[in-house]
Amino acid sequence: GNSVTQMEGPVTLSEEAFLTINCTYTATGYPSLFWYVQYPGEGLQLLLKATKADDKGSNKGFEATYRKETTSFHLEKGSVQVSDSAVYFCALNFGNEKLTFGTGTRLTIIP
Amino acid sequence: SAVISQKPSRDICQRGTSLTIQCQVDSQVTMMFWYRQQPGQSLTLIATANQGSEATYESGFVIDKFPISRPNLTFSTLTVSNMSPEDSSIYLCSVEVALRQGAGELFFGEGSRLTVL
Repeated sequence: GNSVTQMEGPVTLSEEAFLTINCTYTATGYPSLFWYVQYPGEGLQLLLKATKADDKGSNKGFEATYRKETTSFHLEKGSVQVSDSAVYFCALNFGNEKLTFGTGTRLTIIP
Repeated sequence: SAVISQKPSRDICQRGTSLTIQCQVDSQVTMMFWYRQQPGQSLTLIATANQGSEATYESGFVIDKFPISRPNLTFSTLTVSNMSPEDSSIYLCSVEVALRQGAGELFFGEGSRLTVL
């Protein structure tokens, strides 16, 4: 079946540091890939997505590129801020099928 | 977009009791979903609730344990029945909003954190 494996947390970085949260997937075919973010006390919200190979999703300074050859969708940001502290979930789906989520990575940014 | 309100946001429950979680959406939506997030685990889909029909449960989840109501296009409830400590989780309501390109986007409530003693 489909599965998503993402970097285990927690991850703690200093403000303005470079961020990478790794995400790899296992699926038959070419799914759509997503990153969701959950800020403290809030529900999950879509951060970015990519629907085909080599697509790059981007939002709020975050980027992730759909790499078919490595079945990866790593999340990156060049300079993190304290407000980026949250839990980040990688996910995939095919068309209108249900989302398959990773376990989430808790990110804490310290001033 | 969609704004989703869940109640309660958190609760502490006794073993053997049942608790109903409410989910209210600020717009009419066709599909509503209930997820569970156990400590240190990923989100797991419990069931899909469509208005006017029985909920569709995922493997490992049954109606007797997690009865769901969907009385209209803006509201749903999930009941966790006969709770045990293993039911301690965050339960999330989610809705799908269709985009112009046809693919939908999921919006989530803030979750209901249940602790069963």
